[in-house]
Amino acid sequence: SAVISQKPSRDICQRGTSLTIQCQVDSQVTMMFWYRQQPGQSLTLIATANQGSEATYESGFVIDKFPISRPNLTFSTLTVSNMSPEDSSIYLCSVYSPSYNEQFFGPGTRLTVL
Amino acid sequence: TQLLEQSPQFLSIQEGENLTVYCNSSSVFSSLQWYRQEPGEGPVLLVTVVTGGEVKKLKRLTFQFGDARKDSSLHITAAQPGDTGLYLCAGEGAGGTSYGKLTFGQGTILTVHP
Repeated sequence: SAVISQKPSRDICQRGTSLTIQCQVDSQVTMMFWYRQQPGQSLTLIATANQGSEATYESGFVIDKFPISRPNLTFSTLTVSNMSPEDSSIYLCSVYSPSYNEQFFGPGTRLTVL
Repeated sequence: TQLLEQSPQFLSIQEGENLTVYCNSSSVFSSLQWYRQEPGEGPVLLVTVVTGGEVKKLKRLTFQFGDARKDSSLHITAAQPGDTGLYLCAGEGAGGTSYGKLTFGQGTILTVHP
């Protein structure tokens, strides 16, 4: 299976600041995704992180608010910019492994914005 | 936009009882996946169903994919306290552009009391 780590695991941030979340995979993967899980709710896809090109964002999510980098096939970052309390969520990265025909998720980053 | 309606949202039962969780949509999915998520962790895949009418069994868990590939169910027989957790259904959209991108249901929080 693909092993995914995320940093930080949790953070408490002030309104108006930005936080960058890192996602590291133990193998090269083509498809990497960022999801948000708001308190008591399910997961919503934010964007697909593409290696070598801009991320592809889902409806309701924009690059200025959630810039994403994907410098190589094992690493990606998601930045939550100009945060407000509504951004308090768990942010998860996931990868799809064709070898296993399975999607793997990181442990998530729990963000609280005061 | 593809939506998945998952029910019930909350389920509190006694050890030994049976239960069923439903996932319904008006859209066709190329595959449907069931995940279990523990607090502080990302979702972990339980099963993927691909073929309409498919039934898969995983010990006491039985998963079914509707004939039209629009709905699915998870049935647990003789539930145990260790089954407690958040269960999520997720659909992978039909069509090449949706490959690897999942639409999640709202989730079912299951509590099994000893």
